Amino acid sequence: RKEVEQDPGPFNVPEGATVAFNCTYSNSASQSFFWYRQDCRKEPKLLMSVYSSGNEDGRFTAQLNRASQYISLLIRDSKLSDSATYLCVVGMFSGGYNKLIFGAGTRLAVHP
Amino acid sequence: DAGVIQSPRHEVTEMGQEVTLRCKPISGHDYLFWYRQTMMRGLELLIYFNNNVPIDDSGMPEDRFSAKMPNASFSTLKIQPSEPRDSAVYFCASSPDRGLSHGYTFGSGTRLTVV
Repeated sequence: RKEVEQDPGPFNVPEGATVAFNCTYSNSASQSFFWYRQDCRKEPKLLMSVYSSGNEDGRFTAQLNRASQYISLLIRDSKLSDSATYLCVVGMFSGGYNKLIFGAGTRLAVHP
Repeated sequence: DAGVIQSPRHEVTEMGQEVTLRCKPISGHDYLFWYRQTMMRGLELLIYFNNNVPIDDSGMPEDRFSAKMPNASFSTLKIQPSEPRDSAVYFCASSPDRGLSHGYTFGSGTRLTVV
């Protein structure tokens, strides 16, 4: 089982739609959670951290469910510029060290 | 701050040649990470440094890969000899801590093609 798993997509949605991505992680002791965004042929960039109580940043809402070991990202009122790959990232103890483990990403395509 | 700076942006080389990738982390960031990204395997951590010292190199594929960090502002990833399966985008990232609080900041990457 992969340490961080995501649905690869692609999710094809029209502008204005609401779309949600889920991610599961294997290590129940994980303490840090993030969503990164990666545009085509660009580097990953931090979108937002995910806090235990859930958090919102404009049209983006992140939720954490520790009991079920999953993280979600909700995007409301999708824009064309939201088209990208969204990477779920979990800080966990792996291979003897604390480090960030990246999921393979979920691709989002927003069309007019 | 200029962010994490990597060079070159693109590299095309012939199989068997030595390749050296370079990275300048953000000033004050004590942690530096080298990642490789391919379509098949996604982002893979190759090695990371703390205060210029290699901490975890378990992700380095084989002896053909080596990484150094001679000072706080410079790191290299070397592949010798290179093979076509090494073709990928190589990212360098830095962080003021292990990234567990603030995440990592990535450079623009080096797109390596080995023919």
